[in-house]
Amino acid sequence: AQSVTQLDSHVSVSEGTPVLLRCNYSSSYSPSLFWYVQHPNKGLQLLLKYTSAATLVKGINGFEAEFKKSETSFHLTKPSAHMSDAAEYFCVVSSRYNFNKFYFGSGTKLNVKP
Amino acid sequence: KAGVTQTPRYLIKTRGQQVTLSCSPISGHRSVSWYQQTPGQGLQFLFEYFSETQRNKGNFPGRFSGRQFSNSRSEMNVSTLELGDSALYLCASSLGSEHNSPLHFGNGTRLTVT
Repeated sequence: AQSVTQLDSHVSVSEGTPVLLRCNYSSSYSPSLFWYVQHPNKGLQLLLKYTSAATLVKGINGFEAEFKKSETSFHLTKPSAHMSDAAEYFCVVSSRYNFNKFYFGSGTKLNVKP
Repeated sequence: KAGVTQTPRYLIKTRGQQVTLSCSPISGHRSVSWYQQTPGQGLQFLFEYFSETQRNKGNFPGRFSGRQFSNSRSEMNVSTLELGDSALYLCASSLGSEHNSPLHFGNGTRLTVT
């Protein structure tokens, strides 16, 4: 069975401070993990993906995520938040043996204060 | 490469009517998935088509149906519209035949049922 839990529904940071969005997953098999960002009334844009290569994954717009198997986590981070980062973020999991099924977290809304 | 294209972007319909939404996937992608997104329920999976066959299905009533054509383009139909069908409908395409192949989303169709 696979599932994703995003631990915070809302996160608020000040511009220029670090961002941490938390994601825990459950997967019976080797997981593929993804982070997506969604701006208002837009589709989801792929930020990065983990595919069993390096555990630290770098994505677009300065975001990165670290796969920690022992903690079943895949947290998304960024050293310095920009106003344009304000959006909703989704953590997604699929597996090597069921790769056509994707399981979405409930989303984290990131607010960036000036 | 052109991205996933959804048409129309906005639709206003009346209860009881039916509606058809269209999705053109990224060239070479054979899998097309449909999602419904609402503030209350979040992202919910409707169905996935691969090579013209429905491969996966979510828990939606039979009023929601879809199909995929030989060129991988997909349509989604909702009959006998209800107020609760008001939502952002997102289409996503992927290779669908490889581990680690992510979903690529269109910008969605905003359906309002009055």
